[in-house]
Amino acid sequence: ETGVTQTPRHLVMGMTNKKSLKCEQHLGHNAMYWYKQSAKKPLELMFVYSLEERVENNSVPSRFSPECPNSSHLFLHLHTLQPEDSALYLCASSQGEGEGYGYTFGSGTRLTVV
Amino acid sequence: TQLLEQSPQFLSIQEGENLTVYCNSSSVFSSLQWYRQEPGEGPVLLVTVVTGGEVKKLKRLTFQFGDARKDSSLHITAAQPGDTGLYLCSLNNFNKFYFGSGTKLNVKP
Repeated sequence: ETGVTQTPRHLVMGMTNKKSLKCEQHLGHNAMYWYKQSAKKPLELMFVYSLEERVENNSVPSRFSPECPNSSHLFLHLHTLQPEDSALYLCASSQGEGEGYGYTFGSGTRLTVV
Repeated sequence: TQLLEQSPQFLSIQEGENLTVYCNSSSVFSSLQWYRQEPGEGPVLLVTVVTGGEVKKLKRLTFQFGDARKDSSLHITAAQPGDTGLYLCSLNNFNKFYFGSGTKLNVKP
């Protein structure tokens, strides 16, 4: 039990589908993140939310749309994805945003776009 | 150019052997974290180091932060199959986190 729960664990979707990834934490953390992990590449930061406000968007294509309705929940809405978007999508939370705080990661959603 | 370089990329050893993996940066950073990621799971935080020259021990794992705060090493003594996984370092630089590509460790029984 990592304290950060992601659902679903696996997702296969067509390029015309719309789906959402869900992340939930009950650690009392103030910051939440979406990362993309592709084979042989470093973890790529996608979005950062601090106290439910988006503070960073790293030039992510608009086909990825985050939502943070409260400090415990984070969503990633997906639509018209491309095969190269297939990857492991990791949610993380931290006590604060930035220096000195390590992340608690979820187990990830393995996404395959066909 | 990656901000963080990890080496080696792959390491396959026998149970009981010792090993060291490295994390290097061209920039000074304020803190560094080490994570281990097992297949099909998210990374799990092992340690955070913040002071130059700092050494932290976690059972058979020894983490060292370079004096100049630009590099770090992780030494594992008497490796076990349960140590198998991807070891990631992450640095914090002006409130931005960067990850290396990781060292994939396989410990054979």
